[in-house]
Amino acid sequence: DQQVKQNSPSLSVQEGRISILNCDYTNSMFDYFLWYKKYPAEGPTFLISISSIKDKNEDGRFTVFLNKSAKHLSLHIVPSQPGDSAVYFCAALPSFSSARQLTFGSGTQLTVLP
Amino acid sequence: KAGVTQTPRYLIKTRGQQVTLSCSPISGHRSVSWYQQTPGQGLQFLFEYFSETQRNKGNFPGRFSGRQFSNSRSEMNVSTLELGDSALYLCASSADRLKEQYFGPGTRLTVT
Repeated sequence: DQQVKQNSPSLSVQEGRISILNCDYTNSMFDYFLWYKKYPAEGPTFLISISSIKDKNEDGRFTVFLNKSAKHLSLHIVPSQPGDSAVYFCAALPSFSSARQLTFGSGTQLTVLP
Repeated sequence: KAGVTQTPRYLIKTRGQQVTLSCSPISGHRSVSWYQQTPGQGLQFLFEYFSETQRNKGNFPGRFSGRQFSNSRSEMNVSTLELGDSALYLCASSADRLKEQYFGPGTRLTVT
């Protein structure tokens, strides 16, 4: 039973345009969400996070939006650059304060075309 | 600050053997978590240690175990290796009161 779902295995975007990566979750106990970028044979790199008390968080070119009622979050990258080409994972944490048990989606391969 | 380091980076073992992987967290981080990444199951949580105690555990058999030392360094051990244990094993650390986890480069384990 996938509790965090990334339904698009891949996404191609032209350089300079916006990349939108989507993620859905089913477990209402999740209250903190993170996005990671991963290159092959490397560990995931933390990008941005959002708490369930917010609906938006921005950091430079990256913005994460959270729609709690729809149990949906999205990562916007503007403008997209060729170096952004990687697999992007969304991950969720449950609400109890000591939790560090990340539940990951299956990832979306983003390709930014020059 | 130095990032999370993991040793070794690559390992080849035979079925039935055991293996120990090591992780050094970011300085000052007391929480260390371990994850397994496989093509079929994706990224899955193994366990988390905080102040030398296992705080959370994922759904893996008892062959997978870990420990944490007083300097927050952590090891994970897999006994009686099976072919299905071939995976990238990732370690992540996080600071107290913060939820972001920072990952190391991983150890690629191949079981033949």
